[in-house]
Parts: sequence; structure tokens; C-alpha cells
Amino acid sequence: EVQLVESGGGLIQPGGSLRLSCAASGFTVSSNYMSWVRQAPGKGLEWVSVIYSGGSTYYADSVKGRFTISRDNSKNTLYLQMNSLRAEDTAVYYCARQWGDGRIDYWGQGTLVTVSS
Amino acid sequence: DIQMTQSPSTLSASVGDRVTITCRASQSISSWLAWYQQKPGKAPKLLIYDASSLESGVPSRFSGSGSGTEFTLTISSLQPDDFASYYCQQYNSYLYTFGQGTKLEIK
Repeated sequence: EVQLVESGGGLIQPGGSLRLSCAASGFTVSSNYMSWVRQAPGKGLEWVSVIYSGGSTYYADSVKGRFTISRDNSKNTLYLQMNSLRAEDTAVYYCARQWGDGRIDYWGQGTLVTVSS
Repeated sequence: DIQMTQSPSTLSASVGDRVTITCRASQSISSWLAWYQQKPGKAPKLLIYDASSLESGVPSRFSGSGSGTEFTLTISSLQPDDFASYYCQQYNSYLYTFGQGTKLEIK
């Protein structure tokens, strides 16, 4: 059974850093395209970043230069390092598996990041 | 970047109604489009992929159509469990943009 479990969210001050983790089971992270998607309170879904099976990474303009997506193959875990956090980064962050270079077929339960002083 | 525009933003309907949600892309995305359903406090759920393919386990009252820049999600006969928010997403390019969402409410 495929499972994605996020952790690492919490309350952080503006300008601070946080690292989110997504532990996967039932499949191999490094063999799949993996994304982070976020949802601000009461708002819609926003794609944040993707890491391809080959290792290429891409980011939404809103986070480029501040966020870094990575994975640890030995732990079968996906990460999102978030630096220079802003109030507008406040959201539930979902880890997601893409089927090929396409649709998201599995989602984690989400972890809430709140950026506030 | 490819922009995705959904309409309407809110839709009020009754059990048994047939409803259609539209998603327009700012440039052609072929058939590289998915539809998701999201209920409050839950992760989204995949309904339709490649514009018209029904995800396994999804009821057949859901259907998708379209290609290029215009797409639709149709629910043939609304059930109480269908009142939720719906999002389209393009995966033609690696900036996997979502539509702004459609909230389906009970009339």
C-alpha cells in the first residue's frame, strides 16, 4: 500500500527556515516524480516544486531561490527545505507522487506551516 | 507559464442534477489535464486524468472531456458525497499549475 507521511511543519517567524519531510512506503521515491503542493488557508492548490526520477528539480516562481527539494534514497524520503520564509508561505504543504510526468495519484495528509511573528 | 482558469468559482446544485465545470488553459496542453476532488480538511483525490480517463475506483457518474485549451468535468447525477471543491491541473509542462477551484454547494 502506498503511503506518504509528512512531518516538520509548525510555527516559524518571518525570515526563518524549516525543513519538511515526507516518508514514503509502498514504492520507491527515487523511481518516481515527486512534488510538493501547498494550500493557503481557505485558498486553492498551488504547485510548489518537483523532483524528477533523474534528479532534475523545478520550482514555482513564488519559491524559486528560497526553497530546495531533495530526497534521501536510503530513507525513501522526500524533503523540502524552506528558507527566508514569508507570511504568504503559510499553508498546508502536501507531498505528492506523480504517475510518470503527469497526474498526482497519491497525496500525503499534509503538514501545516505557519509563518508569523 | 501556463495559466489555468476554472469556471464557475462556486456552483449551487441539488442532488440528482447534472453539473459541468470548465477549465481553460492559456495555451494548448493537448490532453495533459487532471481533475481532483477535495473535501474540507482532506487531501485532494484524483478523479480524471489525461482529460478523459477515469481513475480506478471513481464512480462512472464523473466524466471528463476536452483537449487543447478547453476542458470540462461533468457529474451526471449529483450525489450527497459529491459536494466538495474541484480543481483542474495541467501537466503539459513542469510548472504543474492548478485552476483556482470550483466549490460545489448544495442548493
